[in-house]
Amino acid sequence: NAGVTQTPKFQVLKTGQSMTLQCAQDMNHNSMYWYRQDPGMGLRLIYYSASEGTTDKGEVPNGYNVSRLNKREFSLRLESAAPSQTSVYFCASSETGSEQFFGPGTRLTVL
Amino acid sequence: AQSVTQLDSQVPVFEEAPVELRCNYSSSVSVYLFWYVQYPNQGLQLLLKYLSGSTLVKGINGFEAEFNKSQTSFHLRKPSVHISDTAEYFCAVSVRGFKTIFGAGTRLFVKA
Repeated sequence: NAGVTQTPKFQVLKTGQSMTLQCAQDMNHNSMYWYRQDPGMGLRLIYYSASEGTTDKGEVPNGYNVSRLNKREFSLRLESAAPSQTSVYFCASSETGSEQFFGPGTRLTVL
Repeated sequence: AQSVTQLDSQVPVFEEAPVELRCNYSSSVSVYLFWYVQYPNQGLQLLLKYLSGSTLVKGINGFEAEFNKSQTSFHLRKPSVHISDTAEYFCAVSVRGFKTIFGAGTRLFVKA
């Protein structure tokens, strides 16, 4: 099993460009999450999906959109990237109430 | 609302010495508690978790943590650390659901 996979691993964007971060899990988990990690701030939840077909905002949703394409896949879209969105992005999945399994991360730089 | 405070941002320690990484949380309801480890350029992976039952929880790589409800703490301990334990450690709290709050992290640096 691959667990949680994310693409791309690295990305550099110019201000105003758009992109989609892809995430897939093969553990048949219902819940999926997108976090951003910034130095000294831990992980902050951007959006989550409790089950296929549902999505909800987390702590820092502004500037992002998500799609739960099916049970396996949960994508994160930046419509108009800003330098403040420079961060490391992690996708995770879990069964409700249990531990989360994380992908390897996407390191995004916005110039 | 729940919150998690990791009391030390960095902990330097010599190899084979004991270590304690401190975590306090606040919540008005019962919680699940977790410790995750992040090695450089990797995602987080679970070290151990407390859901219910015994307050002393053992995890991978020789780590253990004790849930103290009266002090709302969940400190992580290891009796003898190795160079390979150098990593960032995150305490997290979940209110029996799927939203988890993470602490800011503690960077453990093990010196030879």
